Amino acid sequence: GENVEQHPSTLSVQEGDSAVIKCTYSDSASNYFPWYKQELGKRPQLIIDIRSNVGEKKDQRIAVTLNKTAKHFSLHITETQPEDSAVYFCAASISWKSTFGDGTTLTVKP
Amino acid sequence: DVKVTQSSRYLVKRTGEKVFLECVQDMDHENMFWYRQDPGLGLRLIYFSYDVKMKEKGDIPEGYSVSREKKERFSLILESASTNQTSMYLCASNTRVHEQYFGPGTRLTVT
Repeated sequence: GENVEQHPSTLSVQEGDSAVIKCTYSDSASNYFPWYKQELGKRPQLIIDIRSNVGEKKDQRIAVTLNKTAKHFSLHITETQPEDSAVYFCAASISWKSTFGDGTTLTVKP
Repeated sequence: DVKVTQSSRYLVKRTGEKVFLECVQDMDHENMFWYRQDPGLGLRLIYFSYDVKMKEKGDIPEGYSVSREKKERFSLILESASTNQTSMYLCASNTRVHEQYFGPGTRLTVT
């Protein structure tokens, strides 16, 4: 089955710096790659997603890149703010099934 | 707004008890999921349902069963709760290959 590896497991940055989280997947049939943000005590919520026919997608301060050949995708957050502090999960999806990475705890220090 | 609700936020049960966790979504989604969330292990899929009365095993189905009698409702059943089932349980729903909408979670403690 699909295997998703996510790195790093923890990331600490200063406010205003950029943060990058990377994920690799194993099944080349995966065609949908969402990123979820989970604030402390809250449910995961989608922040950005990308499909396999697109290489990059941007939404204000967040962007996702996808390299299908290398089977990896990354989340980029620019100009980080304290409210970006949360756990971030990547996922790789085939049909109905999403396989999640283990999560990255991002801490943005003011 | 999509709304996914779960029957309890916190639950404490004794070893051997039968436990029911319920999830309801109001967006007519055909797919519903149950995940278990443990620190450092991400979200692990327990069971999935793609239609009423239809179910598929996920990655960690042992010790769990599910029921989907109505499209909007998906129940997770622990037939005989054990301490290693202490965890956060998240329900989610979606339609086709799209983002999943999660419920608030149920933190289950088995003593």
